[in-house]
Amino acid sequence: DGGITQSPKYLFRKEGQNVTLSCEQNLNHDAMYWYRQDPGQGLRLIYYSQIVNDFQKGDIAEGYSVSREKKESFPLTVTSAQKNPTAFYLCASSRGGLGNEQFFGPGTRLTVL
Amino acid sequence: GQQVMQIPQYQHVQEGEDFTTYCNSSTTLSNIQWYKQRPGGHPVFLIQLVKSGEVKKQKRLTFQFGEAKKNSSLHITATQTTDVGTYFCAGRNNFNKFYFGSGTKLNVKP
Repeated sequence: DGGITQSPKYLFRKEGQNVTLSCEQNLNHDAMYWYRQDPGQGLRLIYYSQIVNDFQKGDIAEGYSVSREKKESFPLTVTSAQKNPTAFYLCASSRGGLGNEQFFGPGTRLTVL
Repeated sequence: GQQVMQIPQYQHVQEGEDFTTYCNSSTTLSNIQWYKQRPGGHPVFLIQLVKSGEVKKQKRLTFQFGEAKKNSSLHITATQTTDVGTYFCAGRNNFNKFYFGSGTKLNVKP
C-alpha cells in the first residue's frame, strides 16, 4: 500500500526545544516537500528536495532545517530559532519537481507551549 | 507578498446551489493545479491545467484556465454535502516558483 506517512499526528514541545518531524514515502518519488499551514492561509513552502542529498529553501525556511540522506525520507527539524512554530506541517512528494502533482501525508500538528 | 490570490475566503451555500472559487496570479503561470482538503484532512490533488483557455470537467466540477494564464476558476454545479472542504489552487510561474492560494472554505447546508 503506497503512500506518505508522517508521525506523530500531534506533537507538543516546550519553547526553546528543537523538534524533528518525520516524513516517509514509498511511492518512489524523487521530489519531496515540507509545507506549513496556518488558519486562514494557504500552504507555504518551507523546503523542498528534488533528489537525494540536495534541497532548496522555500519561502519561509528561516528557523527550519532538513536533510535528504535517503530517497524515502525527508525529516524536518523545527529549531528554537523559529519564532512562531505552532502550526500544521504537511509533507508531500511528487514524481517530478515543482509544479507536478503532489501527494500529501496526513500532517503533524505541532504545538509549542 | 501573496503571489496567488484566491477568492472568496469563505462560501456558505444551500445544498443544490452552485459554487465558484477564483484564483488570480500576479504573473503568468506555466500550469495551475487544484486541490481539495476535507476538514481535518490533507490536500488531495484534483486536476492540472496547462493550456491557455483550457476547460476540464470532472462530473459536477468544471475547471478553467484563463487565456492569459494568470487566472483560473473552479465551479461546482448543484453542491452536495460531500463537497464540504477547502479548495486550493496552486501554480508554477515562469521563474520555477510554486505557490498555493489561500484557499476557499466551502460549507454546504443540507
